[in-house]
Amino acid sequence: DTEVTQTPKHLVMGMTNKKSLKCEQHMGHRAMYWYKQKAKKPPELMFVYSYEKLSINESVPSRFSPECPNSSLLNLHLHALQPEDSALYLCASSQGGKGNQPQHFGDGTRLSIL
Amino acid sequence: AQKITQTQPGMFVQEKEAVTLDCTYDTSDPSYGLFWYKQPSSGEMIFLIYQGSYDQQNATEGRYSLNFQKARKSANLVISASQLGDSAMYFCAMRPGLQGAQKLVFGQGTRLTINP
Repeated sequence: DTEVTQTPKHLVMGMTNKKSLKCEQHMGHRAMYWYKQKAKKPPELMFVYSYEKLSINESVPSRFSPECPNSSLLNLHLHALQPEDSALYLCASSQGGKGNQPQHFGDGTRLSIL
Repeated sequence: AQKITQTQPGMFVQEKEAVTLDCTYDTSDPSYGLFWYKQPSSGEMIFLIYQGSYDQQNATEGRYSLNFQKARKSANLVISASQLGDSAMYFCAMRPGLQGAQKLVFGQGTRLTINP
């Protein structure tokens, strides 16, 4: 079991739906991340939150909206997604900005857009 | 620009043999960190080992060791006595700079298959 919990594990949604992905960690980490991973490709960074503030947005389309309600939770709100947004969405956390601290990943949410 | 190159798309190894997964990197930052992650088919990214640019010794974690050659900009992962459970995708990643928000640059990955 990972220390970063993502829900749901699988999600199928239509292009007009609104849904949210959730991520939770209780390791006291102050940095949290969203990645998108297509099949047979490496993860691509989407967003970074540092001390609950958005610090990096990798030019992600506005149909993806991140939210960090507190230091343990990270959400990704989805609206009007496209079929090409089907992917594995990974959440990760790490201890602040120290260089040698690895990111700890969750199991991911497998998202399918119909 | 920062870049990670993994030249082996796939590798097949007999159980109990040692295996080396190649990783070369390119960065202009004097300070950086190098990470290896394992991703089984279940999807979770599992942290294996870390090497800092200023570390004098090669990192080791159990059966995993990192062959760090700074002048050649390579950070190869060595797995000793491979096991069937080592079959997975392996990603090399670099963090340019050691302060501030942690932005990882990943290589394309190597799919390792351990044969019984």
